[in-house]
Amino acid sequence: GDSVTQMEGPVTLSEEAFLTINCTYTATGYPSLFWYVQYPGEGLQLLLKATKADDKGSNKGFEATYRKETTSFHLEKGSVQVSDSAVYFCALSDHKGSNYKLTFGKGTLLTVNP
Amino acid sequence: DAGVTQSPTHLIKTRGQQVTLRCSPKSGHDTVSWYQQALGQGPQFIFQYYEEEERQRGNFPDRFSGHQFPNYSSELNVNALLLGDSALYLCASSLGGGNPYEQYFGPGTRLTVT
Repeated sequence: GDSVTQMEGPVTLSEEAFLTINCTYTATGYPSLFWYVQYPGEGLQLLLKATKADDKGSNKGFEATYRKETTSFHLEKGSVQVSDSAVYFCALSDHKGSNYKLTFGKGTLLTVNP
Repeated sequence: DAGVTQSPTHLIKTRGQQVTLRCSPKSGHDTVSWYQQALGQGPQFIFQYYEEEERQRGNFPDRFSGHQFPNYSSELNVNALLLGDSALYLCASSLGGGNPYEQYFGPGTRLTVT
């Protein structure tokens, strides 16, 4: 079945450091890929998405490129801020017929220190 | 424009009891999906409702059931609660039968089973 594997956390960085959170996936079809963010005490928010190979999703300084050859969708940000501290989830939606459910990774806790 | 709302925010139940969680989708959305997020894990898909019918289901036992009302709001019912049912339950709404590109999540209901 579909699965998502993402980098184990927690990740602790200083403000303005470079961030990479690795994500790889397994799917039988041609999935869409997503990064969601969960701030403390809140629900999930869609951060960015990519719907086909080589697409780059970007939002709020975060980027991720859909790499079909390596089945990866790594999240990057050039300069993190304290306000980026949250849990980040990589997810996929494999469009099998009308199957639009999201399959999530386990999440990576990011803490950014001033 | 109200986003996805869920009630209650927190709930404590005893093993063997039954619980009902509620979700109101974002205005204009007609599809509701439910997810279970255990502590330290990514959300797991429970089921999805569209046009008042369950159209997809994840690997959850029949103790988990749901309903969608004509106004598109939804309920999640869990019978014969187990300690392992303790989790954050997330509702996500979308338009058009489960559009994966625009799923909006509510803040969740924290269920504790003692």
